[in-house]
Amino acid sequence: QVQLVQSGAEVKKPGSSVKVSCKASLGTFSTYGVHWVRQAPGQGLEWMGGIIPLFGPANYAQSFQGRVTITADESTSTAYMELSSLRSDDTALYFCARQRPVGAGDGYYFDHWGQGTLVTVSS
Amino acid sequence: EIVMTQSPATLSVSPGERATLSCRASQSVSSNLAWYQQKPGQAPRLLIYGASTRATAIPARFSGSGSGTEFTLTISSLQSEDFAVYYCQQYNGWPPMYTFGQGTKLEIK
Repeated sequence: QVQLVQSGAEVKKPGSSVKVSCKASLGTFSTYGVHWVRQAPGQGLEWMGGIIPLFGPANYAQSFQGRVTITADESTSTAYMELSSLRSDDTALYFCARQRPVGAGDGYYFDHWGQGTLVTVSS
Repeated sequence: EIVMTQSPATLSVSPGERATLSCRASQSVSSNLAWYQQKPGQAPRLLIYGASTRATAIPARFSGSGSGTEFTLTISSLQSEDFAVYYCQQYNGWPPMYTFGQGTKLEIK
């Protein structure tokens, strides 16, 4: 059973950065993608970006370009999402999600999700 | 960016009845459409991919249809555990630039 286990809740000051991790319990990220989705309180799901290590650098949603960095350490099956220049409206639950593997032939939807990491930005 | 629009925002249905949720894409996404269910305090759960294929362990009362720009999620004979928020997601193109609909809250009537 695949599990994605995320790091714990964070409280950050405005203007600082946060780095959230997501470790896969089975398999590696080589051919799978790992993506990050955030959910502000009471709001919907917003895709931030993702990475497929086999294909190189991450791909980001335009609204997060320049402020988010997504990386993956294949040796530990762990993905990271770093968000900088934090603002109060970055307070949200951040999920990682696994994308179906390249070559599976059934599309690139998200088949497993982490439990979510709450990031609170407050002075 | 492909915009996904779900309707209605809230749907009130009685247990045992059928629920029909809609999702529209601003341009064709072929069949690259997934549906997720999210309950309070939980991560989303994959229900449907490829517009109409049920994910592993998803009950047969959930069905998806559509292609191009118009999609439907139907839940026949609603059970108490089905009351939740449902999101559609498109994953068209390579690399996919994912977008979600704003969600439909399915509540007990």
